[in-house]
Amino acid sequence: KNEVEQSPQNLTAQEGEFITINCSYSVGISALHWLQQHPGGGIVSLFMLSSGKKKHGRLIATINIQEKHSSLHITASHPRDSAVYICAVKQGAQKLVFGQGTRLTINP
Amino acid sequence: GAGVSQTPSNKVTEKGKYVELRCDPISGHTALYWYRQSLGQGPEFLIYFQGTGAADDSGLPNDRFFAVRPEGSVSTLKIQRTERGDSAVYLCASSLTAGGQETQYFGPGTRLLVL
Repeated sequence: KNEVEQSPQNLTAQEGEFITINCSYSVGISALHWLQQHPGGGIVSLFMLSSGKKKHGRLIATINIQEKHSSLHITASHPRDSAVYICAVKQGAQKLVFGQGTRLTINP
Repeated sequence: GAGVSQTPSNKVTEKGKYVELRCDPISGHTALYWYRQSLGQGPEFLIYFQGTGAADDSGLPNDRFFAVRPEGSVSTLKIQRTERGDSAVYLCASSLTAGGQETQYFGPGTRLLVL
């Protein structure tokens, strides 16, 4: 079992739909990151969380430390949101451990 | 530029050859990370530098892989006797420090193809 599990692996939705991507982890962490990766492009950090909830525009990220679970939500989804979304956890001061990613496709 | 840069952006080589991949972190960032991403997978940790020293190299798959950061800024990932299984995107990231709350900034990656 991977230390970081994401679901779903693939998600296709229509423009305007509310999107939820889930991340569960099995190790102690100092922070959790949500990252976005466009095809052929680099990785961009969307959020870093250690507790509670953060919001940036149409993106919302939540984390429940006790349940070792985080969710990334996208409201009013748009085709430009199509990308791979990756959950990664930081253990202590060192490396990130990544989930396998969720491929999101938003159709117009 | 202000971001992390990596060169080359693409590298095609033959099995058995030696390759070097370069990472220029954001100026002033003391922590530098190398990751490898195979097709359809999330990135996997290779090695992390704090300053000039490798603080954790537990992710290097074998002794064909080596990385240096001699002056605490630019880093080079070196792969000897390349194998087809080494084909992947090699990602570099840097952060201001290695603290648990620091954001890592990623470069665009080097896509390595071993024929």
